[in-house]
Amino acid sequence: GQSLEQPSEVTAVEGAIVQINCTYQTSGFYGLSWYQQHDGGAPTFLSYNALDGLEETGRFSSFLSRSDSYGYLLLQELQMKDSASYFCAVRGNQGGKLIFGQGTELSVKP
Amino acid sequence: DTGVSQNPRHKITKRGQNVTFRCDPISEHNRLYWYRQTLGQGPEFLTYFQNEAQLEKSRLLSDRFSAERPKGSFSTLEIQRTEQGDSAMYLCASSLAGTGVYEQYFGPGTRLTVT
Repeated sequence: GQSLEQPSEVTAVEGAIVQINCTYQTSGFYGLSWYQQHDGGAPTFLSYNALDGLEETGRFSSFLSRSDSYGYLLLQELQMKDSASYFCAVRGNQGGKLIFGQGTELSVKP
Repeated sequence: DTGVSQNPRHKITKRGQNVTFRCDPISEHNRLYWYRQTLGQGPEFLTYFQNEAQLEKSRLLSDRFSAERPKGSFSTLEIQRTEQGDSAMYLCASSLAGTGVYEQYFGPGTRLTVT
């Protein structure tokens, strides 16, 4: 089967840096995606890593280590609007779907 | 393009009734996905289409659930004989095929409450 593990909650202060970790177990691996979801809103794509290393997109970066079955999302210069749930996701074995983790709820405090 | 749209946004129904939801994907996207999400959980895959073909259906999807995408554009998800356990947010997403599976665009969802 496939499974992903993330911390359920993370709290940080405005302006700080926070890292949200994700470990996965999957029989075939093709990449790791990250999504953001504000309360009551739709999931929004943030990033995708197919290869090892760091991908940077503005204040957000995502890292992947395939040998460790591990990735993380790094959020810098935290803002109050970053308070949301963050999900990591991998592709399903049959290729057509995403399997999501249970999500990490990030609370940014002033 | 205004993105993925879903209708209705909210649906309250009595147990045993049938409900149907509609999803209009981004026009150039050939893949369309349905997910279900309950409070505190990540989206859970239900089914997906490539053009008009339904290519995968979750084992979690009972015979009471059916989805169609008749002309490869919009899609409908029907739940027959609703049960209280069906109460959830039903999300639709679309993408291009291939690596587009990793970058899916979600609609606002239909929140179903079964009383």
